[in-house]
This record gives sequence, C-alpha cells and structure tokens, in this order.
Amino acid sequence: KAGVTQTPRYLIKTRGQQVTLSCSPISGHRSVSWYQQTPGQGLQFLFEYFSETQRNKGNFPGRFSGRQFSNSRSEMNVSTLELGDSALYLCASSPGFAGGLDTQYFGPGTRLTVL
Amino acid sequence: AQSVSQHNHHVILSEAASLELGCNYSYGGTVNLFWYVQYPGQHLQLLLKYFSGDPLVKGIKGFEAEFIKSKFSFNLRKPSVQWSDTAEYFCAVKNNAGNMLTFGGGTRLMVKP
Repeated sequence: KAGVTQTPRYLIKTRGQQVTLSCSPISGHRSVSWYQQTPGQGLQFLFEYFSETQRNKGNFPGRFSGRQFSNSRSEMNVSTLELGDSALYLCASSPGFAGGLDTQYFGPGTRLTVL
Repeated sequence: AQSVSQHNHHVILSEAASLELGCNYSYGGTVNLFWYVQYPGQHLQLLLKYFSGDPLVKGIKGFEAEFIKSKFSFNLRKPSVQWSDTAEYFCAVKNNAGNMLTFGGGTRLMVKP
C-alpha cells in the first residue's frame, strides 16, 4: 500500500497570507489527523477528521482549520499567517477503529516557512 | 489533560551499547502507548505500540518497551544499538476517546561507530 502523501512538501509564504495543505491517507483509512512540529513546542495535535467530520481538536486558534472529503483526503488551511506558524505540518492517517485501537501512520510533512 | 515526559533529551552511545530511553505519562484512565522514530530526513515511523495484554511489547529493528502501569512509564529498550539507530525518538500516548496523540519532547540518539 502506498503511504500517506502530503503536498506540497515545501512552501514559503509571507505574513498575512493564507495557505492550504493537502493530505492523502493510506487507502482504506478513514481518519486523518494533523500535527504541527516546531523545535520549540515539539509535536502538537491540531485536529482529527473522521468521515468528513471533525472529531477532535487541539488548542490552536481559529486561524487553523481543516476539512475532509468523501474520499478521506484532507486539507488544512491557515489564514492570516504569522511568523510563528513556520513549522513542519504532519498528517497522519489511521483506519478509524472504535475504542481507541487505532494506530496512526505519518506522512513526510509539509515544511511551511513564513517570511 | 494528558502529558508525556521524556527525560533524556540527548543520548550518545557507542555501537553495541545497550539503550534505554525513559517515558513517563500522566493520565488517569486507560491509555494507548506508542514509540515513534524519526530518522534524519525521514518521516515519523512507528516503532511499537501497546494497547493491552502483555506489558512487554516488541517492535521493529530489535526494539522493545515495557509498560509499567504503577509507574506510568513506557520505557524503550534495545540490547545493542547500531550506528543506523541514530535518530530522534518520540514517546506518545492517547486515550480511548479518539486519535489525539500527545507526544513527549523527543530524545535525540547519536550512535558513534
């Protein structure tokens, strides 16, 4: 099976702009989660989508949003970019098993640089 | 809220040395535990996981971890490291309510040939 794919791999934006990142999960996986990785804060959970619905949300401002399509592909959007949004954004997919018996598999990430 | 602590931020070992990386978590309920590894220039990969049952779990590449519920710990071990084990290792925990992983700060392991 192909792994999790993320596009684009690298992105450079300026403050105030908005950006959309894309994630294609492993075939058959219904849950997609997003994480932000920075040297200072480490890996932090943004949100999870399952069957086109946001199921969990982390402690990020409303500028960060996402959605999931019927084919389980997911997009993440960040509006009004700030310098502190520079990070590696990771997408993880999982089958979506109930009861917590779910394992997430990560994509290579999108490296976002905000100037 | 759950949290994860990895006490060793940087570890340097010689090849063939034994490895133990500490991971402690705080959460009162049932947890699922994971170790992920990030090799230089590569994406996060799952090393091993614990859901229930035998508290000693074996993963890929000779790694194992032991869940000690009374100590809220899930330490990672390998009897003999190789240069190719140089990477950053992350401990993560989630509860049964969903797929929100809480990660530790990571441990950078350097293995000298």
